[in-house]
Amino acid sequence: QKEVEQNSGPLSVPEGAIASLNCTYSDRVSQSFFWYRQYSGKSPELIMSIYSNGDKEDGRFTAQLNKASQYVSLLIRDSQPSDSATYLCAVIFSNGQNFVFGPGTRLSVLP
Amino acid sequence: EPEVTQTPSHQVTQMGQEVILRCVPISNHLYFYWYRQILGQKVEFLVSFYNNEISEKSEIFDDQFSVERPDGSNFTLKIRSTKLEDSAMYFCASSEGGTKETQYFGPGTRLLVL
Repeated sequence: QKEVEQNSGPLSVPEGAIASLNCTYSDRVSQSFFWYRQYSGKSPELIMSIYSNGDKEDGRFTAQLNKASQYVSLLIRDSQPSDSATYLCAVIFSNGQNFVFGPGTRLSVLP
Repeated sequence: EPEVTQTPSHQVTQMGQEVILRCVPISNHLYFYWYRQILGQKVEFLVSFYNNEISEKSEIFDDQFSVERPDGSNFTLKIRSTKLEDSAMYFCASSEGGTKETQYFGPGTRLLVL
């Protein structure tokens, strides 16, 4: 069974703080992991992908992957009110090509 | 910047009617996907398409669904006989390659079945 789990939130952080979003997945040998942001009523837009254990940084965003623990996270530094959205974790499992999405974590950045 | 486009943005139909949702993937992409998102729920995979055939499909993608690439640019999802529970946002996505490649999503078609 292919499962991707996320805390649904809402996660509230003050403007300028670090937001930490977590995701766990069920297949130890999965190789491809993605974070998308989805504003209400809109389509998912890519934040970043990560394939190897460790950290990957892109601007204010850092993705962290730990395959042994089947865990991927997203850190947002200097959070802005415009970051308020639902953050979707997506995994391509080892035997497929399609994304399996988690339910998303709703982030609210308070001015 | 190239993007995936979808038409229509909204569609209202009567239960039992056929609908066709249209997508134009990014031009150099080879893999195409349909996902759906029922209001308040997570994004769910329907089908992937490569080299003019279905490469993978989910349990949701039953006989009432079909996909087609009728020409070099369009990619369509047909629902033959719509049900109330087909009401959802339908997203098309495309990627350059397969397993490890980022998928880029279109803006979606909101389908309402009455």
